[in-house]
Amino acid sequence: AQSVTQLDSQVPVFEEAPVELRCNYSSSVSVYLFWYVQYPNQGLQLLLKYLSGSTLVKGINGFEAEFNKSQTSFHLRKPSVHISDTAEYFCAVSGNSGTYKYIFGTGTRLKVLA
Amino acid sequence: DTAVSQTPKYLVTQMGNDKSIKCEQNLGHDTMYWYKQDSKKFLKIMFSYNNKELIINETVPNRFSPKSPDKAHLNLHINSLELGDSAVYFCASSPVGRNSPLHFGNGTRLTVT
Repeated sequence: AQSVTQLDSQVPVFEEAPVELRCNYSSSVSVYLFWYVQYPNQGLQLLLKYLSGSTLVKGINGFEAEFNKSQTSFHLRKPSVHISDTAEYFCAVSGNSGTYKYIFGTGTRLKVLA
Repeated sequence: DTAVSQTPKYLVTQMGNDKSIKCEQNLGHDTMYWYKQDSKKFLKIMFSYNNKELIINETVPNRFSPKSPDKAHLNLHINSLELGDSAVYFCASSPVGRNSPLHFGNGTRLTVT
């Protein structure tokens, strides 16, 4: 079975500052990792995904994430945030065997301050 | 050109009523899902269908019944609505494969009074 932990429920940050949203996972099998963003009153949109290969993954809107197998982490980063990045961010894991379903973290609300 | 569309967007109803939410995807995906997002934004999978066949059925009350008339549609019918059913329900789809990302609809906000 897999699980995902997003330790920070809220992250306030000033505009143009860097941000890191943390995600840790646990799994007994190899996993695929995803970050999704949810803007107010909308569905989730894929930001980026790690399937295999290079551990540094670049996504849309200037976000990137690094897969760290030894620390079982997949933290999301952006060097300079904009007001428009204010949203809820979800980390998700999909195991490559066993029950075929996504497990989502509890989400991190990123609030960008002017 | 909406990829995954859900109707209605808002649903306000009284306890004990029966309601349905419809979902359609035009992406040609084989797998569709229903997720429930509670007031704390927690996302929990409810059901998943692959090419009209139920493949995931989480611990959901029997009052919830999904139906997939074809692989492009997945509807959710809820009987005898309760206050605790108030939430946002998301439909999603994906191609077959564990490494395939999900494509979400914009959600249906259900309020039971």
